[in-house]
Amino acid sequence: NAGVTQTPKFQVLKTGQSMTLQCAQDMNHNSMYWYRQDPGMGLRLIYYSASEGTTDKGEVPNGYNVSRLNKREFSLRLESAAPSQTSVYFCASSELKWTGELFFGEGSRLTVL
Amino acid sequence: QKEVEQNSGPLSVPEGAIASLNCTYSDRVSQSFFWYRQYSGKSPELIMSIYSNGDKEDGRFTAQLNKASQYVSLLIRDSQPSDSATYLCAVSVRSARQLTFGSGTQLTVLP
Repeated sequence: NAGVTQTPKFQVLKTGQSMTLQCAQDMNHNSMYWYRQDPGMGLRLIYYSASEGTTDKGEVPNGYNVSRLNKREFSLRLESAAPSQTSVYFCASSELKWTGELFFGEGSRLTVL
Repeated sequence: QKEVEQNSGPLSVPEGAIASLNCTYSDRVSQSFFWYRQYSGKSPELIMSIYSNGDKEDGRFTAQLNKASQYVSLLIRDSQPSDSATYLCAVSVRSARQLTFGSGTQLTVLP
């Protein structure tokens, strides 16, 4: 049982380049989330999708876009990467909406030069 | 003031001791409280959830919630070196539709 799978695990970008982080879950969960984690800042919510077909902004959405492709998949896109977006990105899913019981993927470490 | 505050540590305890991790929160309408464990370089893993005042025990872990004082704590009994990790406190307010994380406390259990 894979749980939550993120790709890629590591990525180095130059300022201004674009990329998409992919996330898929096989637990039939309704809600999915994208977080970023920076040293001393804890986990901060970028975007979430409470259910298939809906997406909403979190605490730090600027510079990002998301797509809930289907119930399994939730992607995060950086249209024009900036050094401030250097971070570790985690995708998570939950069975219920608005719950704190999240299952996290392994993370994607992104460096923007 | 940060919404969820934790002592960043590092907190060191000897093997077999009780580790006590604390978390305070600012929003009085917070309803649900969670503790996640994160090993270095790994993803967070949910270890405890608590929804009402009092204690909740699960094996060597006990979560304690005091809504009047706006704090939640995690006790780890008989601490083991394998408990060495960063522990994240998370608080949710249903109306806000978001989970807010503290910045974590780094725990080291010394053999």
